[in-house]
Amino acid sequence: DTAVSQTPKYLVTQMGNDKSIKCEQNLGHDTMYWYKQDSKKFLKIMFSYNNKELIINETVPNRFSPKSPDKAHLNLHINSLELGDSAVYFCASSQESLNNEKLFFGSGTQLSVL
Amino acid sequence: GENVEQHPSTLSVQEGDSAVIKCTYSDSASNYFPWYKQELGKGPQLIIDIRSNVGEKKDQRIAVTLNKTAKHFSLHITETQPEDSAVYFCAASKGSNYQLIWGAGTKLIIKP
Repeated sequence: DTAVSQTPKYLVTQMGNDKSIKCEQNLGHDTMYWYKQDSKKFLKIMFSYNNKELIINETVPNRFSPKSPDKAHLNLHINSLELGDSAVYFCASSQESLNNEKLFFGSGTQLSVL
Repeated sequence: GENVEQHPSTLSVQEGDSAVIKCTYSDSASNYFPWYKQELGKGPQLIIDIRSNVGEKKDQRIAVTLNKTAKHFSLHITETQPEDSAVYFCAASKGSNYQLIWGAGTKLIIKP
């Protein structure tokens, strides 16, 4: 029973294409996130959704559009892919409550833009 | 805003020895400090955390210490084992309604 699952695990595509990464959590959490990890392993938050509402939107190109159909899902759609988008993308979830900040991460999607 | 610095970027220790990773933060209002371990091909996983009302916390071979005055906290791993090899991240936040600010990560290599 994978708590946070994201698909696909690997995504290889050409520059200019549009692609999506899906994420689902079965933990009953109300908050979900997308993180980008570059080749130097630096983790950068991109978006955060709480109960399907966007609460964090860092400086991310508007080619990236998150969509949350319900609080168990947060998908990431990327338009017009660029070489610099190559990275590992992690979905995560948490339950927003007092003294409970633990994040549960998926296993990542390695995106390679050629 | 908050800034978290993490050192060293790479740490190589002999199996059985101890490893220490240090982080400093800039915002004195930060009160929550987690450590995450990321194994190869996986997402980060919380291994231990500490809040500002506590100076030290232990869980078997791992411990975290916090010095609020100096604004730094450290991860200590004793009796290191091959399975401790991973990238470790520290982070800081002002609580559950605030964003986690992450360190740059430390690659820990355990030499047999």
